[in-house]
This record gives sequence, C-alpha cells and structure tokens, in this order.
Amino acid sequence: GIQVEQSPPDLILQEGANSTLRCNFSDSVNNLQWFHQNPWGQLINLFYIPSGTKQNGRLSATTVATERYSLLYISSSQTTDSGVYFCAVASNSGGYQKVTFGTGTKLQVIP
Amino acid sequence: KAGVTQTPRYLIKTRGQQVTLSCSPISGHRSVSWYQQTPGQGLQFLFEYFSETQRNKGNFPGRFSGRQFSNSRSEMNVSTLELGDSALYLCASSLRLGFGKTQYFGPGTRLLVL
Repeated sequence: GIQVEQSPPDLILQEGANSTLRCNFSDSVNNLQWFHQNPWGQLINLFYIPSGTKQNGRLSATTVATERYSLLYISSSQTTDSGVYFCAVASNSGGYQKVTFGTGTKLQVIP
Repeated sequence: KAGVTQTPRYLIKTRGQQVTLSCSPISGHRSVSWYQQTPGQGLQFLFEYFSETQRNKGNFPGRFSGRQFSNSRSEMNVSTLELGDSALYLCASSLRLGFGKTQYFGPGTRLLVL
C-alpha cells in the first residue's frame, strides 16, 4: 500500500515563529488532506489539497502531486497551534477509496 | 447547528465482549466515516456510510462492522473484543461521499479493553 511519511516528527516553536511541515507519499493519490488534532483529541480538517496551493489565514498548504509531497506552512505561530498535524491521502483500490494517514508531526508552541 | 456527537465518551470492556458505539452527524449530513486511533498504529480509516450503505472501507477484520440509519445516525460494532482494540474511535460527518470533502469530527469514544 501507499506509504505516508511526515517530518519532522516533533517540533517545538517559540510563539511567533514560522514552520514548515512536510508530507511525502509513495505513490499517486487522488486526494490529500491535512488535519490538526488539538491536545484534547479534537480533530479538524485544515485543507483538502490534491494539488496546488491554498491559504487560510496563517496556514497555507502546497501539494506537488508529480513529486509526491505536500507542505503545510504555519506562520506567526500561536500556542493554540499546538497539537498533532496529520496528512492523509486517498487512492482508488478495487472500487473503494483507500485512505492512509501519516504518523503526524507533534507541534508544541511555547509562549 | 449542533456538532457531531458520539456516545458513550468512555467505555471499559473485557476481552471477548462486544461493544456498540454511536455517532450522530450534523443535521443534513448524509456521510458518516469511522476512524480508529491507537498509539501503535496511528489513525486508520474503518469505513464510510452514505445513505444507509457502506461505500468505503479500510483494512479491518470482519469483527468491525457498522450501519447507518435513515436519519443518518451511525453505529459501529466490534465483536469479540481484543486488547488491541483499545483505542480512540472517531466519527466524522460530511455532506458528500468520499474522502475528498470537509469532514467534521466528533470528540471520540475512548475504549479500553481489559
């Protein structure tokens, strides 16, 4: 199956700093999403981004599907950005969508 | 509009028992997906229901099953529980079918199997 690797696994930032999280995947996919899970376990969608670039406030994401990677940019980080960031990809397999998550990047933003 | 609700929030079972978890989607959402999160395996997709039919599924044994009712509420059942089934079970609802859409997640059900 498709392998999804995220880097770095852990990241500590000072409030106000910028960061880039990376997601590499091993095969062609038909969609890719980024998620944020806060320290209390609540998961939220950040971006649906199979290709191209999207921005939402201080967050933006870029996926280069031909090179099999996606990047999530966090600018002017805030303590509320802490948590784990997951990317997940989906591909068609036997009539179903096969969904694979990366292992996540754990981000801690300190004041 | 109320968010996705999951019941119960916490559950303790013993090996060999079965368990049923419930998920109520956001009003108007017809798709409900289920996910398992464990420290060892991370986040894994279980299955997706849309209009009372299972439309997508992950790679889990037949002990894991689900269903969706006409009001879009969904239940997930795990039979013959194993220690490795201890996990946070998340459900998510959305308007459309398929992974490429905005999903709204519930708070999860934490299952501990002893």
